[in-house]
Amino acid sequence: SQTIHQWPATLVQPVGSPLSLECTVEGTSNPNLYWYRQAAGRGLQLLFYSVGIGQISSEVPQNLSASRPQDRQFILSSKKLLLSDSGFYLCAWSDRGSGYTFGSGTRLTVV
Amino acid sequence: DAKTTQPNSMESNEEEPVHLPCNHSTISGTDYIHWYRQLPSQGPEYVIHGLTSNVNNRMASLAIAEDRKSSTLILHRATLRDAAVYYCILNNNNDMRFGAGTRLTVKP
Repeated sequence: SQTIHQWPATLVQPVGSPLSLECTVEGTSNPNLYWYRQAAGRGLQLLFYSVGIGQISSEVPQNLSASRPQDRQFILSSKKLLLSDSGFYLCAWSDRGSGYTFGSGTRLTVV
Repeated sequence: DAKTTQPNSMESNEEEPVHLPCNHSTISGTDYIHWYRQLPSQGPEYVIHGLTSNVNNRMASLAIAEDRKSSTLILHRATLRDAAVYYCILNNNNDMRFGAGTRLTVKP
């Protein structure tokens, strides 16, 4: 069966520090991968999606970036965090045409 | 992008059926209708999806209007654990976008 792993569960980082969130999927090959962010009390915002290794589409210009170095690995990064980067970050995967499966999320607080 | 419209909130009594509406008047022929729900502090959970015909699974039923411009998610017997935000989304490519959803409150 397919599983998605996302870590860490919570993270507190100072302003200006770097960020690296990792997401891996097991039990499937060539999935579509996604990063979403949810600010407190708000809806989900699509940040990046990837249809294959090295293929990244960015939805919102900001100081975040994403990479897909392997088929089932998706990484969200920042060189310098801002206070506004705080939120609940969710990774998801899908097989084309099917539903999305979300990870358990990372709650990031920038202080 | 095709958009959906849902009520901000709804209430239901426990053990009663719940009908959650969604309007998607600009739906295209290749858009699938997806429903997800999100419990507090968790990621969204897939509920059901369909294209033209009504769909049933162990969680819910999806009723799709004949013109596909609206759909209804049906929870046959609401439980307290069904209290969540329910999202109706149109999906036909690789970038599913969530709206504000409907916050369902279930009263005991």
